[in-house]
Amino acid sequence: DAKTTQPNSMESNEEEPVHLPCNHSTISGTDYIHWYRQLPSQGPEYVIHGLTSNVNNRMASLAIAEDRKSSTLILHRATLRDAAVYYCILRGPRAGGTSYGKLTFGQGTILTVHP
Amino acid sequence: NAGVTQTPKFQVLKTGQSMTLQCAQDMNHEYMSWYRQDPGMGLRLIHYSVGAGITDQGEVPNGYNVSRSTTEDFPLRLLSAAPSQTSVYFCASSLSPPSGTSWDTQYFGPGTRLTVL
Repeated sequence: DAKTTQPNSMESNEEEPVHLPCNHSTISGTDYIHWYRQLPSQGPEYVIHGLTSNVNNRMASLAIAEDRKSSTLILHRATLRDAAVYYCILRGPRAGGTSYGKLTFGQGTILTVHP
Repeated sequence: NAGVTQTPKFQVLKTGQSMTLQCAQDMNHEYMSWYRQDPGMGLRLIHYSVGAGITDQGEVPNGYNVSRSTTEDFPLRLLSAAPSQTSVYFCASSLSPPSGTSWDTQYFGPGTRLTVL
């Protein structure tokens, strides 16, 4: 699986935007970029995913570089509830068989939000 | 929908004991998986299943067994517990194996915190 690199930690103030970067220089042309987050003492939860174009949903936006070697998760107005570990993950397309289906988590970025 | 449920929430075992961590989902998801998370670490895949009767190994399968006799349930068995298996275990499911489509979101359970003495 292609590898992702994220900063160990980031800090933000409440109500301010947060840009969480992810480098994935070995991404293949068919890999999708997924983001999950893990709140304290909870299981991870899905945030957003994309392939080439920027994506928006109710939780966040995903900006993907033109060469796809990096991406940025954008939280438009951070709240205290957004304090979590954010994971950037690459996934290949569905291909059939039993040899796929592995979601590989890295260390993630610990986001601290200050009141 | 209850989503993904895991039992027990906490468990303490002695070295050499065996036990089964239960995982169930009521969303008719084909894909289910087990992860472990050690302190300060990301999640590591133990085993996964792409449907009833089909399982495969993940990154760290040694010491664990799984089976998938029904779509709903995916139990994880520790054959002979070791202190190195002290961890938080998460079960996850998705409508299909992770891909790029909009309906491949993985849903995680609340976790089981296991301590092996």
